[in-house]
Amino acid sequence: EVQVLESGGGLVQPGGSLRLSCVASGFNFSRHAMTWVRQAPGKGLEWVSTIRSSGDVTSYADSVKGRFTISRDNVKDTVFLQMSSLRDEDTAIYYCAKLFGMYFAADCWGQGTLVTVSS
Amino acid sequence: QSALTQPASVSGSPGQSITISCTGTSSDFGTYGLVSWCQQHPGKAPKLLIYEGSKRPSGISHRFSGSKSGDTASLTISGLQAEDEADYYCCSYVGSNTLVFGEGTKLTVL
Repeated sequence: EVQVLESGGGLVQPGGSLRLSCVASGFNFSRHAMTWVRQAPGKGLEWVSTIRSSGDVTSYADSVKGRFTISRDNVKDTVFLQMSSLRDEDTAIYYCAKLFGMYFAADCWGQGTLVTVSS
Repeated sequence: QSALTQPASVSGSPGQSITISCTGTSSDFGTYGLVSWCQQHPGKAPKLLIYEGSKRPSGISHRFSGSKSGDTASLTISGLQAEDEADYYCCSYVGSNTLVFGEGTKLTVL
């Protein structure tokens, strides 16, 4: 079964850091780009970051650029999201998703991990 | 990276068909404008319904179909069922490894 499972969420103070992990199984992880998408309470989906299959190309939403870093370990089938200088507005459920195809459709989503930024 | 425009809500009765629109500029949709559509039930993860504009992943009902005309992509759900009540999002790859989502549409089955 193709699946991804996020972990690492929690409560953090403004200005703090957190590292999210997403472990993949059931597919050839090293052949797929991966992405992080977040959803603030009661709001819609917001793309956060994408990393290519080899890990050499990454991209970020303007709202997190310079604060978040995406990386992957193709041996451990895991993608990470290192978040620093966290703000109240980063509070959200963070979803990891597998991408496929030329147009990066997200065909497998995790259940999400909640990040709460609050003092 | 502005969100694609979707209606905030749509509704329909069981058995009817509804269409959800997703509007953006040519730059929002990228070179080919082939969006994907996701369904999200409350408290659940999103689920892919349509990719590359009109293709259905394995296991997705034929009641879901996608199309595009000009600057508007559309998701049509035919034969509405109670279980279709959910939020729906369009998503476009705009190049440079960047994705953009629509604002989301809440579907109510009356």
